[in-house]
Amino acid sequence: DTAVSQTPKYLVTQMGNDKSIKCEQNLGHDTMYWYKQDSKKFLKIMFSYNNKELIINETVPNRFSPKSPDKAHLNLHINSLELGDSAVYFCASSQWAAGASAEAFFGQGTRLTVV
Amino acid sequence: QQQVKQSPQSLIVQKGGISIINCAYENTAFDYFPWYQQFPGKGPALLIAIRPDVSEKKEGRFTISFNKSAKQFSLHIMDSQPGDSATYFCAASRTGANNLFFGTGTRLTVIP
Repeated sequence: DTAVSQTPKYLVTQMGNDKSIKCEQNLGHDTMYWYKQDSKKFLKIMFSYNNKELIINETVPNRFSPKSPDKAHLNLHINSLELGDSAVYFCASSQWAAGASAEAFFGQGTRLTVV
Repeated sequence: QQQVKQSPQSLIVQKGGISIINCAYENTAFDYFPWYQQFPGKGPALLIAIRPDVSEKKEGRFTISFNKSAKQFSLHIMDSQPGDSATYFCAASRTGANNLFFGTGTRLTVIP
């Protein structure tokens, strides 16, 4: 049973298109994230979201938007794709209890290639 | 601004040797320091984590050493094996913050 699953695993699309990546977690966690991993393997947080708060990394272009239909899902929608958006996108989840930091569980990643 | 600095960028170690990866941070509010291991084509997975109330934590061949005054922590892999070849990320966060700041990663190659 996959804890954090994201689809698709690979996505190839043309510049200017709009695309979405889906993420689901079956861990019962209250917080989900999107990370971007570039070609140099650097992991950069894009968003974190729980049922109370959406935190946006201010460096993320507003073409990127998270959408959460419910606590177990956090999808990533990208408008007007650019070449520089090519990267691996990881969804993650964790359970943030008051006064504690928690392990983040990652999905297998979605390799986005913009041509 | 890089919240967590990691070195080296890449590391080659012979089988049976010791692999050491170092990280440094600036934000004294950080109170949770995990290490993640990532194999090609997979997402990062938690390897071991430490809180600043202890100076060392060991789990099998993996040890975290933590120096609060220097704001540094390191991962030691004893008796390194080819199966340990992966990219390792240190990270840091603070209690109550829904965020985990990652280092830039170290690509470890263990030669048989």
